[in-house]
Amino acid sequence: KAGVTQTPRYLIKTRGQQVTLSCSPISGHRSVSWYQQTPGQGLQFLFEYFSETQRNKGNFPGRFSGRQFSNSRSEMNVSTLELGDSALYLCASSLEVSLGTDTQYFGPGTRLTVL
Amino acid sequence: AQSVTQLDSQVPVFEEAPVELRCNYSSSVSVYLFWYVQYPNQGLQLLLKYLSGSTLVKGINGFEAEFNKSQTSFHLRKPSVHISDTAEYFCAVSEKQAGTALIFGKGTTLSVSS
Repeated sequence: KAGVTQTPRYLIKTRGQQVTLSCSPISGHRSVSWYQQTPGQGLQFLFEYFSETQRNKGNFPGRFSGRQFSNSRSEMNVSTLELGDSALYLCASSLEVSLGTDTQYFGPGTRLTVL
Repeated sequence: AQSVTQLDSQVPVFEEAPVELRCNYSSSVSVYLFWYVQYPNQGLQLLLKYLSGSTLVKGINGFEAEFNKSQTSFHLRKPSVHISDTAEYFCAVSEKQAGTALIFGKGTTLSVSS
């Protein structure tokens, strides 16, 4: 079974632009979560989608948004990019039959650099 | 709110030596506990998780961890490490019955040398 895939793997943008990152979960997985990883703040939870609905949200500004499609694929969008948005963005998927107990499988991440 | 503290940012050890990576958590509700490993330029991989039951949890690659409720700790151990265990290790918690949101510690870099 294919793992979690994220596209693109690397991205360079300039301040003020917007960006869309894509995540394809493992086949059959219905939950998709997004995390931001930076050297200073570490790994931080952005949001989680389950059956096309945002179920949980971390403490990030409204510039960060996401959505999930009927095939469970997910996208996250960051508008009006700031230098501090430079990070590795990780997507994780799980079956989520039972809240919180199913293993989350992480993708390799998208490395976003904001210049 | 939950928080996770990994007490050592870097742990250098020699090959075949035992290792313990320490993790303490703080939470006002019941939590699930996890250890993940991240190799360079890769995503995270689950090593083991504690959901309930036996406090000693065995995971992949010979790792194990013990949940101590009174000390709110979940330390990761391996009796004999290999060069290939060099990686960054993250301890995480999630609130029971509250979805998949993981709260991570800052990570511990394990460096194994010969």
